[in-house]
Amino acid sequence: AQKITQTQPGMFVQEKEAVTLDCTYDTSDPSYGLFWYKQPSSGEMIFLIYQGSYDQQNATEGRYSLNFQKARKSANLVISASQLGDSAMYFCAMREAGGSYIPTFGRGTSLIVHP
Amino acid sequence: NAGVTQTPKFRVLKTGQSMTLLCAQDMNHEYMYWYRQDPGMGLRLIHYSVGEGTTAKGEVPDGYNVSRLKKQNFLLGLESAAPSQTSVYFCASSFWGVSKSNYGYTFGSGTRLTVV
Repeated sequence: AQKITQTQPGMFVQEKEAVTLDCTYDTSDPSYGLFWYKQPSSGEMIFLIYQGSYDQQNATEGRYSLNFQKARKSANLVISASQLGDSAMYFCAMREAGGSYIPTFGRGTSLIVHP
Repeated sequence: NAGVTQTPKFRVLKTGQSMTLLCAQDMNHEYMYWYRQDPGMGLRLIHYSVGEGTTAKGEVPDGYNVSRLKKQNFLLGLESAAPSQTSVYFCASSFWGVSKSNYGYTFGSGTRLTVV
């Protein structure tokens, strides 16, 4: 079974609108962390945001926020006020304390921002 | 501060040839990883290392070998390349298992390998 599931292979959003990229995870470890990475067409992996399993508040980093619903095991990325430069692949990842903190990645969501 | 450097950036191999991909980091990270990225498959872990002299298998280790003789370097070897190993390879590094966001994973820029 996949530890990280991203069910949206592709998403489209209009510039300046908000968009939510879905991520669900599977773990029985009480200590884990969730990440989102952005991969533009240039290929580099850019860290966006992190949420720890014990964090009480949802993580935010500028226009990025992580909608963490622990009971549902979901960690959706919300991008507010989309920009053309947000067009990229987005990967959700998880690391577990019991898994030696080795990150597992989802299959990614391709986001295209239309002008 | 270079971060994580991968060499080469591109390579074309013939089936059966061998090659080594080099990953070097200058951040004194304990952990290093090799992933492969294929369309629709995300990043899949090939091998990883939790410290100098140690390596372990990941999700897709077959056909690859690794070595970490020095803390800063992590080598990925293909002994007999196959077309199924055509992929983009990413190296990454991190500090040991801390929980805060600052201590995430630093990725190299990738190596695009084609096996014909």
